[in-house]
Amino acid sequence: DVKVTQSSRYLVKRTGEKVFLECVQDMDHENMFWYRQDPGLGLRLIYFSYDVKMKEKGDIPEGYSVSREKKERFSLILESASTNQTSMYLCASSFMDRVRQPQHFGDGTRLSIL
Amino acid sequence: AQKITQTQPGMFVQEKEAVTLDCTYDTSDQSYGLFWYKQPSSGEMIFLIYQGSYDEQNATEGRYSLNFQKARKSANLVISASQLGDSAMYFCAMREGSNNNDMRFGAGTRLTVKP
Repeated sequence: DVKVTQSSRYLVKRTGEKVFLECVQDMDHENMFWYRQDPGLGLRLIYFSYDVKMKEKGDIPEGYSVSREKKERFSLILESASTNQTSMYLCASSFMDRVRQPQHFGDGTRLSIL
Repeated sequence: AQKITQTQPGMFVQEKEAVTLDCTYDTSDQSYGLFWYKQPSSGEMIFLIYQGSYDEQNATEGRYSLNFQKARKSANLVISASQLGDSAMYFCAMREGSNNNDMRFGAGTRLTVKP
């Protein structure tokens, strides 16, 4: 079974802090993704990566950065957390160039910025 | 423009009855894949079922089936014999052949199964 592991289920941080969300997958997937989920908006793509040290902006990259130093690990960084970044964050991974393959998700991190 | 539209924010169904969750999509690609995910209150996204644009048969997985109408660009999820454990958010998603490293999601439908 594919396993995508996010480092925290719940996280509370303060405005202005630098926040790191970590994600690890064990299926040798090339692609990794960070989404943000808000009620009524579905999942919105923040960043994705198709290879080590490669990254592409998604729909809402402002205020975020990412790091992929190893194939299995993809980190989301909130450079200076703000209250409007309070949300559910989901990490996913998939094989590259396979339309039929689903993305596999972690359990999500519920992040609150106070 | 929205690629995936789910018009039902919330749905109710009686236990043991069938329910249809609507999904329409927009693409100019000939090759694409359509996915449904379930998200219980615990938060994890569970992959349910897949339909390819070239698949001639509607996909089925246990109690889940996909009513795929290509000309109408709809891919509705049908859950038969609903169970209390089916109460969750359901998301429709699409992966296009021209950009198949990306996946677009709808806003979701919250299904509540009543005893």
